[in-house]
Amino acid sequence: RKEVEQDPGPFNVPEGATVAFNCTYSNSASQSFFWYRQDCRKEPKLLMSVYSSGNEDGRFTAQLNRASQYISLLIRDSKLSDSATYLCVVTPSSSASKIIFGSGTRLSIRP
Amino acid sequence: SAVISQKPSRDICQRGTSLTIQCQVDSQVTMMFWYRQQPGQSLTLIATANQGSEATYESGFVIDKFPISRPNLTFSTLTVSNMSPEDSSIYLCSAYTPRTGGPEQFFGPGTRLTVL
Repeated sequence: RKEVEQDPGPFNVPEGATVAFNCTYSNSASQSFFWYRQDCRKEPKLLMSVYSSGNEDGRFTAQLNRASQYISLLIRDSKLSDSATYLCVVTPSSSASKIIFGSGTRLSIRP
Repeated sequence: SAVISQKPSRDICQRGTSLTIQCQVDSQVTMMFWYRQQPGQSLTLIATANQGSEATYESGFVIDKFPISRPNLTFSTLTVSNMSPEDSSIYLCSAYTPRTGGPEQFFGPGTRLTVL
């Protein structure tokens, strides 16, 4: 089983729609969780951290479910510019400085 | 935040040759990493570049093939040795900076390598 698993997609949704995707992780002792965004032919960039209480940043909401070992990302009122690959990132407890990337979920927003 | 630059941004190389990629960070960072990302795939960690000592390699990667240097807290190099077409990939340098709530990693723009 992979340490971090994501649905590769692609998710193809119309502009203005709400879209959500999950990421599961295998290590129950994992400490930190993030969503990164990677545009085509660009480097990954941090989108948001995921806190136990959940957090929201504008149209983006991230949730953590430790019992079921998954994190989620919800995008409301999607924009064309949201088209990208979203990478789930987990920090194992054994090494806070080493992070594990999921394979990414491709999102495509159509006009 | 940290700004990371890489050189070269891309290169086309012949089989059997070697290429050294440079990574420069605009501020001192605790740790630096080298990743590889093949088309349509996620990032695979090659190694952690340790300042003043040998790099720590992940399973499947060895020093003879990917020698790494990190002479100071802002600079690192990755060499891809004796290249084959299977080494064609994007190589990304990353820097780690601790902050409240967990580590955030910043990435360089990547080096796109094609081996003929």
